[in-house]
Amino acid sequence: SAVISQKPSRDICQRGTSLTIQCQVDSQVTMMFWYRQQPGQSLTLIATANQGSEATYESGFVIDKFPISRPNLTFSTLTVSNMSPEDSSIYLCSAGTANTEAFFGQGTRLTVV
Amino acid sequence: AQSVTQPDIHITVSEGASLELRCNYSYGATPYLFWYVQSPGQGLQLLLKYFSGDTLVQGIKGFEAEFKRSQSSFNLRKPSVHWSDAAEYFCAVGLNNDMRFGAGTRLTVKP
Repeated sequence: SAVISQKPSRDICQRGTSLTIQCQVDSQVTMMFWYRQQPGQSLTLIATANQGSEATYESGFVIDKFPISRPNLTFSTLTVSNMSPEDSSIYLCSAGTANTEAFFGQGTRLTVV
Repeated sequence: AQSVTQPDIHITVSEGASLELRCNYSYGATPYLFWYVQSPGQGLQLLLKYFSGDTLVQGIKGFEAEFKRSQSSFNLRKPSVHWSDAAEYFCAVGLNNDMRFGAGTRLTVKP
């Protein structure tokens, strides 16, 4: 299994600003993912964070809005840029190896005012 | 296209009663199947998973799930629900790191 630490756990941000969320895994993992969970909703995959290359984004998500870094096999960041109230959500980091279960961080609860 | 359906948005059961949460999937091949639980303000915790072999899988907290290929289903069961089981439950399917989540079922437990 993998233990995932995500920070901050929550934040309240002004519209127009950016927030960077960090995700640290206690072991090397092949795959890292970023999800968004809007209030009362299920998880929506934002992107797959690839080590050594650009992230792969799902339909509806773009790099300019959600830049992702993956400098090594245990760490990734997601930035929510130029925030608006519609970006208020829980952002979840997950990690795993090929074709295994995904382990999740506790999430970052973002409120944009 | 791959999809996961959890038909029940909200289920209420009495403490001590049995529970079954439904999950159906549409996938080009037999995917890997998972059930996760999310307590309020928490991340997701894996309850159980099915990769291959015995179609009845046991998980943590007394949960089990049965994979039925003919019905494309992976329903979650528990024989006796405890008040601490109140949470949101997500079914997920994945293959080659493409993981999709169902909409979730919110479980309320009555005393």
